[in-house]
Amino acid sequence: EPEVTQTPSHQVTQMGQEVILRCVPISNHLYFYWYRQILGQKVEFLVSFYNNEISEKSEIFDDQFSVERPDGSNFTLKIRSTKLEDSAMYFCASTGGGTYSYEQYFGPGTRLTVT
Amino acid sequence: KNEVEQSPQNLTAQEGEFITINCSYSVGISALHWLQQHPGGGIVSLFMLSSGKKKHGRLIATINIQEKHSSLHITASHPRDSAVYICAPSPASNYQLIWGAGTKLIIKP
Repeated sequence: EPEVTQTPSHQVTQMGQEVILRCVPISNHLYFYWYRQILGQKVEFLVSFYNNEISEKSEIFDDQFSVERPDGSNFTLKIRSTKLEDSAMYFCASTGGGTYSYEQYFGPGTRLTVT
Repeated sequence: KNEVEQSPQNLTAQEGEFITINCSYSVGISALHWLQQHPGGGIVSLFMLSSGKKKHGRLIATINIQEKHSSLHITASHPRDSAVYICAPSPASNYQLIWGAGTKLIIKP
């Protein structure tokens, strides 16, 4: 069964460093999402991406964040200068949309720890 | 006021019991998702529904669009059902999910 994959599973970085979280969505999906979950809190929407551009973003997704689909398979989330409060689990998701289902398929997550 | 309210926040039950988790939301939606988050953190989509009722194995999800309410039921609960169950409506204007805080379910053998 197709699945969404994410790398790395755990990333430790120092405050102020740039990190790139990588996701490989399901191959025929059209809509891509990043969510985050701070430990002990609920999941929060960050950004959605469709047709090679951001379609929606939350207040959390400020200028420090960017997303990119550099090739036909990868979908990345970059945090330019990490802060302690960026420590969280980051989930990537994809959905087919259109004539496909809008059911979202989630990757296993990347745990980001900023020290 | 939260856009999504789930109840109860925590639920502990004995194996075999019938479980009901409720979700109320305030936004207009195109669909509502029920998701399961395992203790290890992984998220699995259980249901996506926009009307009526869906059943998958021992899980049943219902939605009443007029009342903006949905329920997730688990029949013949089992310890492996222990997880956090999250209700997440998807607004009519886009396909992002608005996440509830989740219901932590523990099923004791």
